[in-house]
Amino acid sequence: KQEVTQIPAALSVPEGENLVLNCSFTDSAIYNLQWFRQDPGKGLTSLLLIQSSQREQTSGRLNASLDKSSGRSTLYIAASQPGDSATYLCAVTPYSGSARQLTFGSGTQLTVLP
Amino acid sequence: EAQVTQNPRYLITVTGKKLTVTCSQNMNHEYMSWYRQDPGLGLRQIYYSMNVEVTDKGDVPEGYKVSRKEKRNFPLILESPSPNQTSLYFCASRPEGPRYNEQFFGPGTRLTVL
Repeated sequence: KQEVTQIPAALSVPEGENLVLNCSFTDSAIYNLQWFRQDPGKGLTSLLLIQSSQREQTSGRLNASLDKSSGRSTLYIAASQPGDSATYLCAVTPYSGSARQLTFGSGTQLTVLP
Repeated sequence: EAQVTQNPRYLITVTGKKLTVTCSQNMNHEYMSWYRQDPGLGLRQIYYSMNVEVTDKGDVPEGYKVSRKEKRNFPLILESPSPNQTSLYFCASRPEGPRYNEQFFGPGTRLTVL
């Protein structure tokens, strides 16, 4: 059964720092990996989606990489801002099964201090 | 605006009183699903639907029912709610297809069962 782990569970950094969030998964047979942002009391906002054939995706100050063979993805946030404070979740879509359901990690709670 | 909507956003109820949480999407997506989010357990899929009149169980279906009579709507029904169903619930949708594109999430429904 696919398991997704995110380390660290919480991270606090001063404004302006570059930072990396980690996501690992146990089964490399995936269609894609998606990074989400969740603000307190709010829903999930999709940030980046990386197809299994891709190595990375970029959107603004965000860059996500995928290494399927090692079962790892990283989300790089450049020049962090207080508005980046949120919980970041990664999720994988499995290659097998009809449901193609997402399997989520528990998230990394990021706080960017002004 | 493309979106997934859920109602109600907040609900406090008592054990055994039937309730329905509605979910609607305006993107003509085939695939819809329900998740619950609990501290330390992340998001877990309850039920999903591949299309109208096609539904199936996710990882934690006990105590829940769903229906998919129209493509845009996917209500979650709790026939006899219990306190262990207190949680944050998310509805999600995505298009079908070989690329299994990104999922779109609703804003969430916070349910408290007393």
